[in-house]
Amino acid sequence: AQKITQTQPGMFVQEKEAVTLDCTYDTSDPSYGLFWYKQPSSGEMIFLIYQGSYDQQNATEGRYSLNFQKARKSANLVISASQLGDSAMYFCAMSKGGDSSYKLIFGSGTRLLVRP
Amino acid sequence: GAVVSQHPSRVICKSGTSVKIECRSLDFQATTMFWYRQFPKQSLMLMATSNEGSKATYEQGVEKDKFLINHASLTLSTLTVTSAHPEDSSFYICSASKGPNYGYTFGSGTRLTVV
Repeated sequence: AQKITQTQPGMFVQEKEAVTLDCTYDTSDPSYGLFWYKQPSSGEMIFLIYQGSYDQQNATEGRYSLNFQKARKSANLVISASQLGDSAMYFCAMSKGGDSSYKLIFGSGTRLLVRP
Repeated sequence: GAVVSQHPSRVICKSGTSVKIECRSLDFQATTMFWYRQFPKQSLMLMATSNEGSKATYEQGVEKDKFLINHASLTLSTLTVTSAHPEDSSFYICSASKGPNYGYTFGSGTRLTVV
């Protein structure tokens, strides 16, 4: 069975510094996708970044980068130059590739608080 | 970009009544739509997966007769909470996708309060 684990319930970071949010996953499927979403207090789910299991390079999107270590089954999110607006819940998620049901399963989330 | 509209954003209903939540993909055809439930300070729990024109696939532990899902077209899926009770109060959020390699677009969510 697929499983996503986020071991940091809460994190603090000083404004303008970088922060790493941890995510490990477990799957026996060779094809899968890894996602990170941001959920502010309004509840909307904001897509941040995606990494495919066959991608050779780590994904980057602006200030977001994904540190993908396939052998360790980890997909940590790195946010550089943190901003006050980055304070939110962050969820790591995994989908199963090549499956008609390709459902997205979420980790428990990490609440990030950026200090001024 | 892909946009998913979810209505209502908030609803309060009396215990024993039913409430319908709509999820519409505005600018793309959604092959599959997903319904999630989120309790305060918790993660999103997948309730069911629906494909247009076929019956929804429910996750283990989700009552099919209580949470009715209809996916009548490629742009609309509805979740009906039947005979709602206070324990059904939660944040419900839908997600739509064009296919396995197209990612997921989320609606803005519906906060249901049953009194």
